[in-house]
Amino acid sequence: RKEVEQDPGPFNVPEGATVAFNCTYSNSASQSFFWYRQDCRKEPKLLMSVYSSGNEDGRFTAQLNRASQYISLLIRDSKLSDSATYLCVLRMYNNNDMRFGAGTRLTVKP
Amino acid sequence: DAGITQSPRHKVTETGTPVTLRCHQTENHRYMYWYRQDPGHGLRLIHYSYGVKDTDKGEVSDGYSVSRSKTEDFLLTLESATSSQTSVYFCAISPQIGGGRGEKLFFGSGTQLSVL
Repeated sequence: RKEVEQDPGPFNVPEGATVAFNCTYSNSASQSFFWYRQDCRKEPKLLMSVYSSGNEDGRFTAQLNRASQYISLLIRDSKLSDSATYLCVLRMYNNNDMRFGAGTRLTVKP
Repeated sequence: DAGITQSPRHKVTETGTPVTLRCHQTENHRYMYWYRQDPGHGLRLIHYSYGVKDTDKGEVSDGYSVSRSKTEDFLLTLESATSSQTSVYFCAISPQIGGGRGEKLFFGSGTQLSVL
């Protein structure tokens, strides 16, 4: 089983739709959680960190469920510019590197 | 955007030749990383550095070596390139780890390496 698993998609949604992605992780010692965004042929960029109590940044909401070992990302009122691959990332306790999921591809259509 | 420059941006080489990729930062961040990205695998850590001359292996370090003689430069060397090392290589930097709002990775633009 992979350490970080994501549905690769693609998710094809119309503008204005709400879409949600989940990411499951296998190591319960995971400490820090993030969502990164990667545009085609570009470098990943931090979208948001994920905090235990859940957090929101504009149209984006991230949730963490430690008991079930998953994190989620909700995008409301999707824009064409949200089209990208969304990477689930975590770091384990006492570990210096981040572990990446393979990503979920989102396409928002007019 | 964080000041990270990777060079070269593209490289085509032959099996068995040595290759060195360079990552240069102007942010004075302590941590530097080399990742490779392949379809279906996500980014995988090759090596990382937590200071000048301080480096450690990552998940997929076989066939790679690194050096960090200055804070701003982190070199990745493929001693004898193989076709399995064809990939996109990303350098990343981070100001801190261990939690807190400073814990984030900033990536360079990537190097597309093809080993024929």
